[in-house]
Amino acid sequence: GQQLNQSPQSMFIQEGEDVSMNCTSSSIFNTWLWYKQDPGEGPVLLIALYKAGELTSNGRLTAQFGITRKDSFLNISASIPSDVGIYFCAGRGSRLTFGEGTQLTVNP
Amino acid sequence: NAGVTQTPKFQVLKTGQSMTLQCAQDMNHNSMYWYRQDPGMGLRLIYYSASEGTTDKGEVPNGYNVSRLNKREFSLRLESAAPSQTSVYFCASNADKYTDTQYFGPGTRLTVL
Repeated sequence: GQQLNQSPQSMFIQEGEDVSMNCTSSSIFNTWLWYKQDPGEGPVLLIALYKAGELTSNGRLTAQFGITRKDSFLNISASIPSDVGIYFCAGRGSRLTFGEGTQLTVNP
Repeated sequence: NAGVTQTPKFQVLKTGQSMTLQCAQDMNHNSMYWYRQDPGMGLRLIYYSASEGTTDKGEVPNGYNVSRLNKREFSLRLESAAPSQTSVYFCASNADKYTDTQYFGPGTRLTVL
């Protein structure tokens, strides 16, 4: 089946630093999605990408749909403590497939 | 407008016991989903219901059954719980299965001893 590799698995950063994470797949996806999960809550959609090469921002978050349609990147600029959580990528091919998640810790 | 609600929030079962996880949404969504979340595995789809009256298997359906009781409610049943079913279970819904914005419930943390 379709599989996503998300990296890094975890990140420990200082407040104010920029963050980058990515997902790669062996399959082509038509849509890439990025979710954030706060502790004890369900995931919430942050950004949706629908075209290869698309670059979309949502506040301090920027995500890109890779040209090959097999990867996507999420950047967070000037991190703040409330950015703490697990970030998931998801790709839509024949079905929606989630990455393993990146656990982000932000030290004040 | 509560969104997606799930009950219970926590549950401990013994191997072989049965239970039903409840999910309800008040957004008039057609499609509903059940996922399980395990460390390092992301979210895996168990079953989904594209519309009232239909259900389909997802990636990991073995050991589970579902019922789409009406448009609002979608329940997940474990007939004979096993330790491998220890996980966090999320229900989600969206307007239709082609819409990417899925709204997730807060999750049910299930431990099977």
